[in-house]
Amino acid sequence: DADVTQTPRNRITKTGKRIMLECSQTKGHDRMYWYRQDPGLGLRLIYYSFDVKDINKGEISDGYSVSRQAQAKFSLSLESAIPNQTALYFCATQRGQGFYEQYFGPGTRLTVT
Amino acid sequence: AQSVTQLGSHVSVSEGALVLLRCNYSSSVPPYLFWYVQYPNQGLQLLLKYTSAATLVKGINGFEAEFKKSETSFHLTKPSAHMSDAAEYFCAVSVDSGYSTLTFGKGTMLLVSP
Repeated sequence: DADVTQTPRNRITKTGKRIMLECSQTKGHDRMYWYRQDPGLGLRLIYYSFDVKDINKGEISDGYSVSRQAQAKFSLSLESAIPNQTALYFCATQRGQGFYEQYFGPGTRLTVT
Repeated sequence: AQSVTQLGSHVSVSEGALVLLRCNYSSSVPPYLFWYVQYPNQGLQLLLKYTSAATLVKGINGFEAEFKKSETSFHLTKPSAHMSDAAEYFCAVSVDSGYSTLTFGKGTMLLVSP
């Protein structure tokens, strides 16, 4: 079984709709991250959480919100989706302070029409 | 703040040829450096990491990278390319601070021809 799972894997939605992307992990890691990937731009950090009560904005947080429901779950919401939020979204985990590598989920491909 | 530059959005090699993917970083403090690989329709997989131990780092699938502080580089190499190496490769940097995060380069697509 995958250590980091994301649901849904693919989603098509309309402009203005609210949508939630979910991430769960069984690695027991404290830190979780949300990125978006666009062709030619690499990965950009949206939000990150170092524990349930510690949530921080990343490079491109406008238009997004997050919820850390438990150590193992970190959800990303688009309150009112717009077409330029069409992208591939990745969740990642990191063990904790002093451990620098991150482990990625399989991604969610989101299309906003 | 740290940053990463990957030279070349696409690199083409023949099967059996040397693979060289370039990565330069910018950091005001000693960095931790990573290479990730992304196969089509998959997430990112850690290839190798430099965390201030040996400067020549060996990773999975025959890849290695050398940390050169004087050149602020962390280039990825493999002596002989295989068709299965075709993927996108990302270099990333982090630093040792309480709120450090990974900063990624824009990626290099490796194309391997028979």
